[in-house]
Amino acid sequence: DGGITQSPKYLFRKEGQNVTLSCEQNLNHDAMYWYRQDPGQGLRLIYYSQIVNDFQKGDIAEGYSVSREKKESFPLTVTSAQKNPTAFYLCASSIPWGGLGELFFGEGSRLTVL
Amino acid sequence: GENVEQHPSTLSVQEGDSAVIKCTYSDSASNYFPWYKQELGKRPQLIIDIRSNVGEKKDQRIAVTLNKTAKHFSLHITETQPEDSAVYFCAASRHAGTSYGKLTFGQGTILTVHP
Repeated sequence: DGGITQSPKYLFRKEGQNVTLSCEQNLNHDAMYWYRQDPGQGLRLIYYSQIVNDFQKGDIAEGYSVSREKKESFPLTVTSAQKNPTAFYLCASSIPWGGLGELFFGEGSRLTVL
Repeated sequence: GENVEQHPSTLSVQEGDSAVIKCTYSDSASNYFPWYKQELGKRPQLIIDIRSNVGEKKDQRIAVTLNKTAKHFSLHITETQPEDSAVYFCAASRHAGTSYGKLTFGQGTILTVHP
């Protein structure tokens, strides 16, 4: 069954800890994205990748890092430098790159900082 | 960069009524405008999109209109049903230039359809 899988679904973190959110897709999509969702603020782009071994900062990249070593995988690390990390994180993929194709989203990961 | 404003933030209608959600965008080079629906606890899903070379697109009970001159686009849902209750997001992106392909989303509208 094709799709995007995010894990974990829920994650709790202590202040000062880095955490990594997993995103895997088997849709053979070139482009992958990470969005952050906060109430009343829509979906804000953190990082995006058009192709393997390449990624670009989105609108709110500070305190986050990503890698794209494989086409199927685009993990997001929330570092201790992110001042307000508690949020719902959505991974997505699309084909073709260029915003003219449908974004397919994962089910999301909810991060809570204790 | 692109800025997308979406109104209203909440919308409550009776079953069978129509619902309209409006968005404005700032980048005149934007040329792709999708709408996503996110049901409670679920992932956002594309419901309709429009490109800048057309002014209106319909798909059964939903339609989107685009006014490039005024830089705004709207989602229209007719004969609303309780299952239309969800959060709706508009978005915009451009096909060329430095922000090529980046989708900028509006703040979302919580639509509630009362039976």
